[in-house]
Amino acid sequence: NAGVMQNPRHLVRRRGQEARLRCSPMKGHSHVYWYRQLPEEGLKFMVYLQKENIIDESGMPKERFSAEFPKEGPSILRIQQVVRGDSAAYFCASSSTGNTEAFFGQGTRLTVV
Amino acid sequence: GIQVEQSPPDLILQEGANSTLRCNFSDSVNNLQWFHQNPWGQLINLFYIPSGTKQNGRLSATTVATERYSLLYISSSQTTDSGVYFCAVERGNAGNMLTFGGGTRLMVKP
Repeated sequence: NAGVMQNPRHLVRRRGQEARLRCSPMKGHSHVYWYRQLPEEGLKFMVYLQKENIIDESGMPKERFSAEFPKEGPSILRIQQVVRGDSAAYFCASSSTGNTEAFFGQGTRLTVV
Repeated sequence: GIQVEQSPPDLILQEGANSTLRCNFSDSVNNLQWFHQNPWGQLINLFYIPSGTKQNGRLSATTVATERYSLLYISSSQTTDSGVYFCAVERGNAGNMLTFGGGTRLMVKP
């Protein structure tokens, strides 16, 4: 799972700023998933993407959050106008096909001050 | 949606002891994975085990899909086994969107 690369590892934003989290999947993987982990809790699914397509965004808040996985480059999770409640660890996972083992990156820890 | 319950929520072991962690799920699943989240927050894949039994060193896992549970066995525990163990399942056929249990927090004392 070291193959899924996320950056930055830590991100501090002031309330109202934008946060951009990046994820490069493992080589050969075209399915990307984003999860959020609040302190002392399990991970919660946010969004599932394939190249240039959002497949399922049922776990993502309707406002301020967006995700993309362009033809070239990493997947991006974007949070606009961050609030203190957005402070969490955001994990990205990838799999080779839709129904195979998922591998996780090391996460981005977002702190909103 | 599917419910995933893990037990026990907390576990303290002396180094060298064995333990069994349980994961119950409320509906049939296509995928089941066990993860170890170490004290630095990194999620490490342990097993991909929608059914059957697998072993990897001191760890083994068994999933009985028809009875909707999975077990993770840790033998001869070491302090490096400390952390949180998560079970995660996926029901559908079009994507590995995992539903996580609440985890078992394990502390292994020297």
